[in-house]
Amino acid sequence: LAKTTQPISMDSYEGQEVNITCSHNNIATNDYITWYQQFPSQGPRFIIQGYKTKVTNEVASLFIPADRKSSTLSLPRVSLSDTAVYYCLVGDIYGNNRLAFGKGNQVVVIP
Amino acid sequence: DTAVSQTPKYLVTQMGNDKSIKCEQNLGHDTMYWYKQDSKKFLKIMFSYNNKELIINETVPNRFSPKSPDKAHLNLHINSLELGDSAVYFCASSTPTGIGELFFGEGSRLTVL
Repeated sequence: LAKTTQPISMDSYEGQEVNITCSHNNIATNDYITWYQQFPSQGPRFIIQGYKTKVTNEVASLFIPADRKSSTLSLPRVSLSDTAVYYCLVGDIYGNNRLAFGKGNQVVVIP
Repeated sequence: DTAVSQTPKYLVTQMGNDKSIKCEQNLGHDTMYWYKQDSKKFLKIMFSYNNKELIINETVPNRFSPKSPDKAHLNLHINSLELGDSAVYFCASSTPTGIGELFFGEGSRLTVL
């Protein structure tokens, strides 16, 4: 399984765009990149998933460079309610993308 | 309706006791999981069941025994509880393959005294 590395924590001011990075140097050809968000006292919830280039949904954008060894989750104009732990996972279509959550990145949005 | 529900939400018990956490999903998924999250937010998979059959067991002590009476339920029984078992346990479900998302329950916070 590809291993991911994320910063432990980061702070951001309300209204700013937040970019959260994830390194996955050993990503395999069949691997997808998935991001989850976890609020305090709740289970993680799916945010976005991608394979290459850029993916955008109503919540976030995911940027994946050509070598796919890293990815960046972008949250536009964050609010206090975006304070959460963000997890990056990589895995293939056979279900191996659900296994290695790791420690995640604690994002704190400051007023 | 809650998609993945766990009970109890909080559980406080003494060392050496046996306890169970129940999980039910109404999403029609074939695959269910148990994850353990420690105090440092490290979220680690413990078990995965597909259609009542164990498919993943991530070197979890034998004191932990999952049971799946049907594909909508995956319960976790823990024998001889130890202090280090204190954590938040999350149940999740998904389709068995493909790149579909995981749906998590609200978590069950276990405290062993």
